[in-house]
Amino acid sequence: SQQGEEDPQALSIQEGENATMNCSYKTSINNLQWYRQNSGRGLVHLILIRSNEREKHSGRLRVTLDTSKKSSSLLITASRAADTASYFCATGGFDNYGQNFVFGPGTRLSVLP
Amino acid sequence: KAGVTQTPRYLIKTRGQQVTLSCSPISGHRSVSWYQQTPGQGLQFLFEYFSETQRNKGNFPGRFSGRQFSNSRSEMNVSTLELGDSALYLCASSLAPSEETQYFGPGTRLLVL
Repeated sequence: SQQGEEDPQALSIQEGENATMNCSYKTSINNLQWYRQNSGRGLVHLILIRSNEREKHSGRLRVTLDTSKKSSSLLITASRAADTASYFCATGGFDNYGQNFVFGPGTRLSVLP
Repeated sequence: KAGVTQTPRYLIKTRGQQVTLSCSPISGHRSVSWYQQTPGQGLQFLFEYFSETQRNKGNFPGRFSGRQFSNSRSEMNVSTLELGDSALYLCASSLAPSEETQYFGPGTRLLVL
């Protein structure tokens, strides 16, 4: 399975601090994406990194990808209370049917004011 | 551009009943995927539709079915509901099956009593 596994399962930090979440997967991938989900709602796409990329930035988000270690990290800098949410990594790969996405169990981030 | 819409947002059913959930993708998007999210199993892929054809199916029993209409709107049906079917059902759309980014709707929360 190419399932992503986020680490840690839960993270609690103070506002203004940085938050780092990690994702590991098992098989080769074409891309890896990070999504955010506020309590019980739909997922919001944050950032996509392709297998030939090592780092991407988007605002306060920084994503790295190490295909040799089959791992990715999501860094949120200068966190805000509004960043409180669950964060999921999703690995994208192709099978006989086309592209498929497999989501990890998620990291629950709590940013305390 | 309007986002992915799902109806209804909340639903309460009893065991043995059946339920139909609806998803309207973003205008121009032709691929629709469905996911089930539960606290225990996380996000699990149900199926994907493109051009009114099911292209891919996850590991769910035959009680779970779906279809897509010519306007790309999709429905999923669960027959003979079980308590374990209580979940958040998420729909995601993309331009085409091979597109890397999916856009998620707010979900339908189903409670089976």
